[in-house]
Amino acid sequence: GDSVTQMEGPVTLSEEAFLTINCTYTATGYPSLFWYVQYPGEGLQLLLKATKADDKGSNKGFEATYRKETTSFHLEKGSVQVSDSAVYFCALSGEEGAQKLVFGQGTRLTINP
Amino acid sequence: DVKVTQSSRYLVKRTGEKVFLECVQDMDHENMFWYRQDPGLGLRLIYFSYDVKMKEKGDIPEGYSVSREKKERFSLILESASTNQTSMYLCASSLLHRATLDGYTFGSGTRLTVV
Repeated sequence: GDSVTQMEGPVTLSEEAFLTINCTYTATGYPSLFWYVQYPGEGLQLLLKATKADDKGSNKGFEATYRKETTSFHLEKGSVQVSDSAVYFCALSGEEGAQKLVFGQGTRLTINP
Repeated sequence: DVKVTQSSRYLVKRTGEKVFLECVQDMDHENMFWYRQDPGLGLRLIYFSYDVKMKEKGDIPEGYSVSREKKERFSLILESASTNQTSMYLCASSLLHRATLDGYTFGSGTRLTVV
């Protein structure tokens, strides 16, 4: 079945460092891909998405490119801030008409000042 | 602002109690979902519903049931709470057949502790 694998955390960086969180997937067909962020004590919020190969999703300085050839959707940010400390989840949905998302295990990110 | 509202942020219940977790959405979404979130295990789907009075089991339905009497409300029921059900519970919703394009909208979560 469909699955998502994220890099294991926790990840700890200093402010202004470059961030990459790896996400790879296994799916039949052409899934849509998502990154969600969960700030402490809150639910998940959609951060960005891409619905077809080579699409780039972006939001709040974060970017991720849908790479079909490597089945990847890595999250990047050029200069992280303390406020980016959160848990990040990669997710996929199946082909058009799919009802459910499949989530990765989440990666906890801590940014130190 | 569209919302998914979970009735309690924190809940403490005793072992053996019947527990109701409530979720309400104001977006006229057909799909609603209940997940539990545990460290190292990510999000695990408990139950979901595509329509009023309709429900389907997710990956870990044991010890839980659900109720969807109205389109906007999806309740998760712990028939007899146990300590291994201590967890963060997340409700989510989406439009029918739109998860592919829009993903889900999540509530803020209910942190349940069973003592």
